[in-house]
Amino acid sequence: EVQVVESGGGLIHPGGSLRLSCTASGFIVSDNYINWVRQAPGKGLEWVSAVVPGGRTYYSDSVKGRFSISRDNSKNTLSLQMNNLTAEDTALYFCVRYSFWSAFDIWGQGTLVTVSS
Amino acid sequence: DIQLTQSPSSLSASVGDKVTITCRANDGIGSYLAWYQQKPGKAPKLLIYSASTLHSGVPSRFSGSGSGTKFTLTISSLQPEDFATYYCQQLHNYPRTFGPGTKVDIK
Repeated sequence: EVQVVESGGGLIHPGGSLRLSCTASGFIVSDNYINWVRQAPGKGLEWVSAVVPGGRTYYSDSVKGRFSISRDNSKNTLSLQMNNLTAEDTALYFCVRYSFWSAFDIWGQGTLVTVSS
Repeated sequence: DIQLTQSPSSLSASVGDKVTITCRANDGIGSYLAWYQQKPGKAPKLLIYSASTLHSGVPSRFSGSGSGTKFTLTISSLQPEDFATYYCQQLHNYPRTFGPGTKVDIK
């Protein structure tokens, strides 16, 4: 079955760091466009970051310089390193595959990040 | 960055109604637009890509149209399982922005 599963969320103090992981099955992470999308409580969807097959990375302005996306090809996983977290980063974080010939077609169930003192 | 707006932001409809949601981009994006459905507590699901192509397994009562800066999602006959929030997303460039969403609830 083609799926992604996120992990690593939790409660973190403002200014802290957290590393999210996304484990893929049924497809090869390094051959695909993988994204992080987040959703603050009661709010809409916000695209956060992406890594493309060639390794180039992209970030939203709201996280640029604080978040870093990376792949571990040996484990077929993706990570999102989040630093200097603020309350505005509180959200459910989804790992999502972008299929080049369609759109964001495979979504995980999300991992919740709560930034609070 | 491409900005997307959706109208209406919410609507109330009855089972069997025809529903139309509009998504507008502040710059041309060709046909690089997708629509998603999200139910409370669940991950979004892809409905339509390339503005008008139905994703595998999506009922034919859903359809999409448009190009450039104006797009529409139509549900021809609303079913009980269609009450949800709908988002458009542009895939023309980065950042891959989403619209603010349209909540469809029961009248």
